[in-house]
Amino acid sequence: DAGVIQSPRHEVTEMGQEVTLRCKPISGHDYLFWYRQTMMRGLELLIYFNNNVPIDDSGMPEDRFSAKMPNASFSTLKIQPSEPRDSAVYFCASSSTASNQPQHFGDGTRLSIL
Amino acid sequence: AQTVTQSQPEMSVQEAETVTLSCTYDTSESDYYLFWYKQPPSRQMILVIRQEAYKQQNATENRFSVNFQKAAKSFSLKISDSQLGDAAMYFCACRATSGTYKYIFGTGTRLKVLA
Repeated sequence: DAGVIQSPRHEVTEMGQEVTLRCKPISGHDYLFWYRQTMMRGLELLIYFNNNVPIDDSGMPEDRFSAKMPNASFSTLKIQPSEPRDSAVYFCASSSTASNQPQHFGDGTRLSIL
Repeated sequence: AQTVTQSQPEMSVQEAETVTLSCTYDTSESDYYLFWYKQPPSRQMILVIRQEAYKQQNATENRFSVNFQKAAKSFSLKISDSQLGDAAMYFCACRATSGTYKYIFGTGTRLKVLA
């Protein structure tokens, strides 16, 4: 079975530009999570969805960040306008409702804002 | 609120030796699951082992085992016969069985394996 698929794997762009990160969860998983990982702050949960509905977005750093899940097989995380401090690795993960099932992570997107 | 604490930012182990990574957690939930994830330099997050809090028996997966002390809220990971490929960041995580399905992650422990 295909795992969680993220694109792009790497993104380099100049500050002020809009950045869109994409994620395809594992089929049948009804939870989707977006994380940001940096050396300074570790792994931070930004937002998570259940059945395409955002449940908790308290980790979204500011209004420049937005996330959508238009259907069960696709989600985006958008940063507009981007800033150098947004540089990080962004992970998408999905899981099923069964609480004993682990999250499955994508390979992450390494974002560099110049 | 749930918290997960990994007090060892970095650990080293000689190849073929045994090492234990510490994790403590705090939760008000009566039932929950605990996980250890491995993140090698390739940055993939790989599940190593999971433990169901209501089970007293410690989980084991090949060379990986846990020491789960529920009363002490401790969930340490033991790696036996360490191999060079075990070098990675290791994250401990906790998830309640009901209510929020958020995973709470610790800050990670970097494991170095010395040849």
